[in-house]
Amino acid sequence: DTGVSQDPRHKITKRGQNVTFRCDPISEHNRLYWYRQTLGQGPEFLTYFQNEAQLEKSRLLSDRFSAERPKGSFSTLEIQRTEQGDSAMYLCASSPHRLAGGRAYNEQFFGPGTRLTVL
Amino acid sequence: DAKTTQPPSMDCAEGRAANLPCNHSTISGNEYVYWYRQIHSQGPQYIIHGLKNNETNEMASLIITEDRKSSTLILPHATLRDTAVYYCIVRVAWGGSEKLVFGKGTKLTVNP
Repeated sequence: DTGVSQDPRHKITKRGQNVTFRCDPISEHNRLYWYRQTLGQGPEFLTYFQNEAQLEKSRLLSDRFSAERPKGSFSTLEIQRTEQGDSAMYLCASSPHRLAGGRAYNEQFFGPGTRLTVL
Repeated sequence: DAKTTQPPSMDCAEGRAANLPCNHSTISGNEYVYWYRQIHSQGPQYIIHGLKNNETNEMASLIITEDRKSSTLILPHATLRDTAVYYCIVRVAWGGSEKLVFGKGTKLTVNP
């Protein structure tokens, strides 16, 4: 178990540019999540995939944001025409969502995040 | 998902127990209580969760009141590495939204 990995760890871009982040979940996890976190706040949910299907999206995910998980493994989050307000930490998490002994185990395992700075 | 209320900050002496409270008075019968923590500049880390019985694992203990309207996360012997923001989250484990709804959490500082 190598954990959830994210790439890049840091990204600095100019306003108006497009950026793409990658997330590699824990290999046997079929659920994948994206969150955004700004300074002093808790993470905010953006979107969720079960295998390759995108099943839930937050209204925070404007039309400039798009996420994919084409083969049900890694995922990408793209932000087009970045704005200064997009500056944040973008977190990815994965989950096994299993039931064992009558107890639900769907804890989410988070990656280290990608810190985006839009100048 | 039910709303939770946590104190914004707490202090604890190293080696002592840290008791972090959480109020969730509107919790419904099928909602679990989850605790995560976030150490500075890292992603959140799952700690423990429970429905109505007290739970214990290698990291912490979770005490849920009988009416389930509040809970306490206990770190039995806090270390400096336990300094983090601790989030209490209430959510349905099955059939509901998959998202975690984070509040601002409790900033726990463990002092030497």
